[in-house]
Amino acid sequence: QQQVKQSPQSLIVQKGGISIINCAYENTAFDYFPWYQQFPGKGPALLIAIRPDVSEKKEGRFTISFNKSAKQFSLHIMDSQPGDSATYFCAASTFPSTDSWGKFQFGAGTQVVVTP
Amino acid sequence: NAGVTQTPKFRILKIGQSMTLQCTQDMNHNYMYWYRQDPGMGLKLIYYSVGAGITDKGEVPNGYNVSRSTTEDFPLRLELAAPSQTSVYFCASSPSRGRDGEAFFGQGTRLTVV
Repeated sequence: QQQVKQSPQSLIVQKGGISIINCAYENTAFDYFPWYQQFPGKGPALLIAIRPDVSEKKEGRFTISFNKSAKQFSLHIMDSQPGDSATYFCAASTFPSTDSWGKFQFGAGTQVVVTP
Repeated sequence: NAGVTQTPKFRILKIGQSMTLQCTQDMNHNYMYWYRQDPGMGLKLIYYSVGAGITDKGEVPNGYNVSRSTTEDFPLRLELAAPSQTSVYFCASSPSRGRDGEAFFGQGTRLTVV
């Protein structure tokens, strides 16, 4: 079964608008939550990541919000641009260390289309 | 800086044929992974490796095999290809202690089994 559930499956947003993608996870052992961005014909690339010791992380126009008690996290894309049109995947894993490693569980993906 | 390189980019196989998907990374990463990506399903882990000589099964290993004789290379072998193996395959690597645990992905191999 899907250990990380992602919604919506797709979304269309106007240029300048806010895109919001939500993810929920089951395994309380997860302690690393990255978001990956994938353009057509390319491999996923890390966009932004968060660990549970903070509730929010911002990098430029991209913000992750994290709710540990609800086991949910979300990606907000502010001032969305046509160049942000891509598929976004949330993921979860245990953080790599000398005794464990990050085996990633991915959400199903959200296709974001930003219209001019 | 090449990063993670996968070959081939595209391949069509007939049912029952075998092939090896090649993956090499030049970042001296210990961890390497093979994922398959199917529409609407995200990425599913096939096999992973935490270092040369060490491999283990992921979520969907049936029909595949891997080896890790060097740090750089992590080939994926498909034996007796089946239509259910039609997918896009991604190889990835990550350091054991990364900046953010980041995984670096190759550009993918699109495989069609007919």
